Amino acid sequence: AQKVTQAQTEISVVEKEDVTLDCVYETRDTTYYLFWYKQPPSGELVFLIRRNSFDEQNEISGRYSWNFQKSTSSFNFTITASQVVDSAVYFCALSVGTGNQFYFGTGTSLTVIP
Amino acid sequence: DVKVTQSSRYLVKRTGEKVFLECVQDMDHENMFWYRQDPGLGLRLIYFSYDVKMKEKGDIPEGYSVSREKKERFSLILESASTNQTSMYLCASSLAGGPVDTQYFGPGTRLTVL
Repeated sequence: AQKVTQAQTEISVVEKEDVTLDCVYETRDTTYYLFWYKQPPSGELVFLIRRNSFDEQNEISGRYSWNFQKSTSSFNFTITASQVVDSAVYFCALSVGTGNQFYFGTGTSLTVIP
Repeated sequence: DVKVTQSSRYLVKRTGEKVFLECVQDMDHENMFWYRQDPGLGLRLIYFSYDVKMKEKGDIPEGYSVSREKKERFSLILESASTNQTSMYLCASSLAGGPVDTQYFGPGTRLTVL
């Protein structure tokens, strides 16, 4: 069975602080894909990153970085120097093999206080 | 850019009414999905479709049906709306074939059943 756990329900940080959102996944498949999405107050989920199980390189995109560690089944997301516009709900998701179904975590609500 | 649109952002219906939620994508994607999002539960898959006139049940199909007559359009139908179907409904689409592809989401429809 597949499962994604985002243990942090809500996080508040002060602007310019760094913040890490945790994502732990469970699967017995050796081929899988991990995703992060951002859901701002407007409601639309915005795709941030896709990572396959064979690529453990960390990725950086501007203030965003992702740390993929198969040894701990984690795919954590760090925002550096947070801004108010980063306030949103962030979802981690897993898909396995060539299947179409995504398994979403319950999301982490991030509030950045000015 | 992928564009997924949903017919309504907000909808209020009465118990027992038949409700249609429409989703249209303009990127010629084969796969389309309907999710509902509830606080603390994340996104749960209701139905998905991988081709015209094809559909597959997701995790919570009870009380819902779907229709896909054209490739770009995927409709979610609540045959007899109930108050426990009050929720945010999100539509998504993705390419088919080969490895799992990213799902792109619409803005969501917030449905209230009175």
